[in-house]
Amino acid sequence: SAVISQKPSRDICQRGTSLTIQCQVDSQVTMMFWYRQQPGQSLTLIATANQGSEATYESGFVIDKFPISRPNLTFSTLTVSNMSPEDSSIYLCSVGTGYNEQFFGPGTRLTVL
Amino acid sequence: GENVEQHPSTLSVQEGDSAVIKCTYSDSASNYFPWYKQELGKRPQLIIDIRSNVGEKKDQRIAVTLNKTAKHFSLHITETQPEDSAVYFCAASSTQGGAGSYQLTFGKGTKLSVIP
Repeated sequence: SAVISQKPSRDICQRGTSLTIQCQVDSQVTMMFWYRQQPGQSLTLIATANQGSEATYESGFVIDKFPISRPNLTFSTLTVSNMSPEDSSIYLCSVGTGYNEQFFGPGTRLTVL
Repeated sequence: GENVEQHPSTLSVQEGDSAVIKCTYSDSASNYFPWYKQELGKRPQLIIDIRSNVGEKKDQRIAVTLNKTAKHFSLHITETQPEDSAVYFCAASSTQGGAGSYQLTFGKGTKLSVIP
């Protein structure tokens, strides 16, 4: 299966600032997704990262707060903008295969002070 | 949209016993049902999945069953071992095209503790 990496693995940020998280895959994949996992909670889909077009956001998530880029089939970024302590969470990217399985990156643990 | 309910939220079993986790889903268009295992501080790991054209799938000590009519599916772990201790998530998705295809909707998770 694909090797998925994320940068940074963790960060501590001040409120009001922004953080960009990178997701890199070692092979071309059609589908990439971004999830949020708050402490002790389940995974919630933020958006589907579409190559060459705007991301598709889920209810409750907006582009101004979570802009996403996907310039090619192996790379995507998620930015968490104007952060508040409520944004403290683990952010995970995942990639989808042609057989519908999804595999997750190692996650980025974000703490906002 | 899809809604996935998962029970129980916590489960403790003695080593060697079996564990069963159950999920229900709401969208009859869902046709793909994966299970993930997440150890503390690690990423969710796909351990088994089932598609709507089969009723049961087994891989060594783990098995998954699907009842499309009742819209529920279950994870069965036999001969549990301490290393099975983790949080398990069920999920559902539709692959039939259109908005929302291939997106996973997760249950809230089950924390399984296997007591040596």
